[in-house]
Formats: sequence, structure tokens, C-alpha cells
Amino acid sequence: DVKVTQSSRYLVKRTGEKVFLECVQDMDHENMFWYRQDPGLGLRLIYFSYDVKMKEKGDIPEGYSVSREKKERFSLILESASTNQTSMYLCASSLRAQGAFRGYTFGSGTRLTVV
Amino acid sequence: AQSVSQHNHHVILSEAASLELGCNYSYGGTVNLFWYVQYPGQHLQLLLKYFSGDPLVKGIKGFEAEFIKSKFSFNLRKPSVQWSDTAEYFCASCSGNTGKLIFGQGTTLQVKP
Repeated sequence: DVKVTQSSRYLVKRTGEKVFLECVQDMDHENMFWYRQDPGLGLRLIYFSYDVKMKEKGDIPEGYSVSREKKERFSLILESASTNQTSMYLCASSLRAQGAFRGYTFGSGTRLTVV
Repeated sequence: AQSVSQHNHHVILSEAASLELGCNYSYGGTVNLFWYVQYPGQHLQLLLKYFSGDPLVKGIKGFEAEFIKSKFSFNLRKPSVQWSDTAEYFCASCSGNTGKLIFGQGTTLQVKP
């Protein structure tokens, strides 16, 4: 089975800190995605990547950046964490060819609290 | 812009009751449609998906969904729910070849034993 591993299950950070959320997948998927999940808002796409060193903005990229130096790893960076970035962050991966049709594989999520 | 709307935010049912969760999508072209489920403390899992063909799609755990193109709808159904169906359910769509999934707001289902 494809596994998508997010490095931390829970994180607590202070306002203004630079935060790194790491995601690693082990099945050679080309596509990787970062979502945030908030009650009543569902999942919203922050950034995605179709290939190494490639990134595209999703629907809510403000305050975030990403890095994809290796195919299996996709990092989400909060340049200066703020309390409104307290959320559950989900990473996902998929094959490039009709990726969503074949289905995403999601990680277990990182619950980030910014105090 | 492509969007997905789920009508019910919180549904409470007794065991053995029938379930129908509404989902509407806005994109007018070819879409792929999905229902995902997230059980408490677990990651998102695919329940079922539609891309073409028979508009009635059967998924895992007795769930099914019907694609009605004229209504831009993809409602999820189950004839008889169980306590173990308590979870959050997300409808999602993907258009064209972007590979981007757009999710609805989610519906929390609570099944009382």
C-alpha cells in the first residue's frame, strides 16, 4: 500500500516562528498536495506540485510556501506562523496520469496549534 | 471557478435509518466526482468515485452515490446506517487533467446506537 507519512501528528508553535511540515510518500507518485482542514470549511488546497522543484498555488497560498527538492518529499513552510494558521494540515499524493481519478492517498495529518 | 457544496453540515441518525447526503458541484464540463470518509482519528479514505458510465456508483461498506448531470448533483446514500458509520464525509470533484481535488465543506454524521 502507498504510504504518505507526515512527520508530526501534533505541533505547538509560537506566533512568528518559522514552521516546517514534512510529508514523504513511498510509491513514486508525481503529484503531491497540501490541504488544510477546518470545521465547516472542508479541505482547502494550499499548494501542490506535479514534479520535483515544481510548485503551483492552490486556493489559499497566502502565508505559506513549499519545497520539493526530491520526488518523495513535499514540505510546507509557514514563514511566520500566525494564530489563524492553527489547523489540521493534510498531505496527499497521487499518480500523474488522471491522478485524482485514480485516487489520492492521504497522510494522517498534522494538527498545528499556533499560540 | 469550480466549487463543491454539501447541503448538510451535521446529521444525526439512529441505527438502521436510511442516509442521504447531498452534494452539488458547479463545474459545467467533464468532472470526476468522489466521496471520501474520515473516521474519528483516522486519515481520509475513498468511499467511491464516478468518472463515466453508469450514474449509480457503488462503493465500499454498502454506500452508493448517484450522478445526476442535469442537477449537478452526486448524492451519497446508504439504506441502513450503523454506529460504525459515524464519521465526517466529504464530497469532492476534479475537472479536466489538473488532478486537483476540490472538496465540499464536509458533513458530520453521528449514528446513535
